[in-house]
Amino acid sequence: KAGVTQTPRYLIKTRGQQVTLSCSPISGHRSVSWYQQTPGQGLQFLFEYFSETQRNKGNFPGRFSGRQFSNSRSEMNVSTLELGDSALYLCASSLIPGGSYEQYFGPGTRLTVT
Amino acid sequence: AQRVTQPEKLLSVFKGAPVELKCNYSYSGSPELFWYVQYSRQRLQLLLRHISRESIKGFTADLNKGETSFHLKKPFAQEEDSAMYYCALKDTDKLIFGTGTRLQVFP
Repeated sequence: KAGVTQTPRYLIKTRGQQVTLSCSPISGHRSVSWYQQTPGQGLQFLFEYFSETQRNKGNFPGRFSGRQFSNSRSEMNVSTLELGDSALYLCASSLIPGGSYEQYFGPGTRLTVT
Repeated sequence: AQRVTQPEKLLSVFKGAPVELKCNYSYSGSPELFWYVQYSRQRLQLLLRHISRESIKGFTADLNKGETSFHLKKPFAQEEDSAMYYCALKDTDKLIFGTGTRLQVFP
């Protein structure tokens, strides 16, 4: 069974631009969560999607948004990029929502904002 | 506020020595806790969860509600245990992670 895939793996953007990251969950998984990982803050929850609906959202500004498609693939978008948005963005999928169910993580997209 | 604290950024031990990675949490309710591990150049993966009371790769973790702790232990460390370890707490349907502890096991 193929694992969680994320594209692109690396991205360099300049301040003020916007970016879209993509996540394809494991086949059959319907819940997708996004996390931001930075050296200073560690792993922070961004949002979770299930059945094309955002079920949970972390404490991030409105510049961070996401969506989920009918095939469970998910995208996250960051508008008006800031230097502080440089991070590794991780996507995780699980069968259904709920942290009790194992979340399988992707390799991440490393975003650098210059 | 819900929080997970891992006080040690780095823990270095020699092969065969006991290991204890500390994790303390703050949660108003019945906590559900996990340990995730990230080996070099690999993805973050679940190591164990407290509800399973399992031992994975020789690691165990016991939930101590009185001390609000969920320390990860292994009696005899192996070189292949070198990795980044994250303690995580389930809060509704999301995970709150600690900042992680890097375990280095020297030969």
